[in-house]
Amino acid sequence: DIVLTQSPGTLSLSPGERATLSCRASQSVSSSFLAWYQQKPGQAPGLLIYGASSRATGIPDRFSGSGSGTDFTLTISRLEPEDFAVYYCQQYGYSPRTFGQGTKVEIK
Amino acid sequence: QVQLVQSGAEVKKPGASVTVSCRASGYTFSNHYMHWVRQAPGQGPEWMGIIYPSGDTTNSAHKFQGRLTMTRDTSTSTVYMELSSLRSEDTAMYYCARGAAGSGSYTSFDIWGQGTMVTVSS
Repeated sequence: DIVLTQSPGTLSLSPGERATLSCRASQSVSSSFLAWYQQKPGQAPGLLIYGASSRATGIPDRFSGSGSGTDFTLTISRLEPEDFAVYYCQQYGYSPRTFGQGTKVEIK
Repeated sequence: QVQLVQSGAEVKKPGASVTVSCRASGYTFSNHYMHWVRQAPGQGPEWMGIIYPSGDTTNSAHKFQGRLTMTRDTSTSTVYMELSSLRSEDTAMYYCARGAAGSGSYTSFDIWGQGTMVTVSS
């Protein structure tokens, strides 16, 4: 199974700051098959980014994804109050699909 | 609007089985794969398995093989997940998630149900 390791575990930032989240895979993942999800307390995860860099429908352009091979990044250019949440990366190119353990973005 | 609505919370004893339903609306049900994902308290999501649009093919994660049954009823646009031989470690929120449009089953999960909490306790 492909293991996804996310770092840092927690990111403490202020609104307006830039957030950079990392996702490292235990083996190469085709960039076509890497997604990022946002999860708020009491809610299901929601798709943010697919194909490593394509924003899902309705996702604002302050969210961007990049990377290839084993190293991927989610960047939030300027944090809005509603962006404080937990973020998960997922590879869906191999079975079993796997998720990272998450990065919590909290208000500093 | 496109949505997946799941059945309500369940409390089960160890060794029992649980069935969770997921009713789709707002899109052509037979055009999309459906996944099941669970999330234990404080943990990341864990993929359990997939059911194909035709309903006649499923694929489960190895750890659930033999315990997980997925079915779909096209007439009611509903998918079902049955997990048997429950143990305390199966206590989690269970989600259905739609496979995004694309070629084949390897796509992201673009629509999620609201989740069904399953508690296994004696």
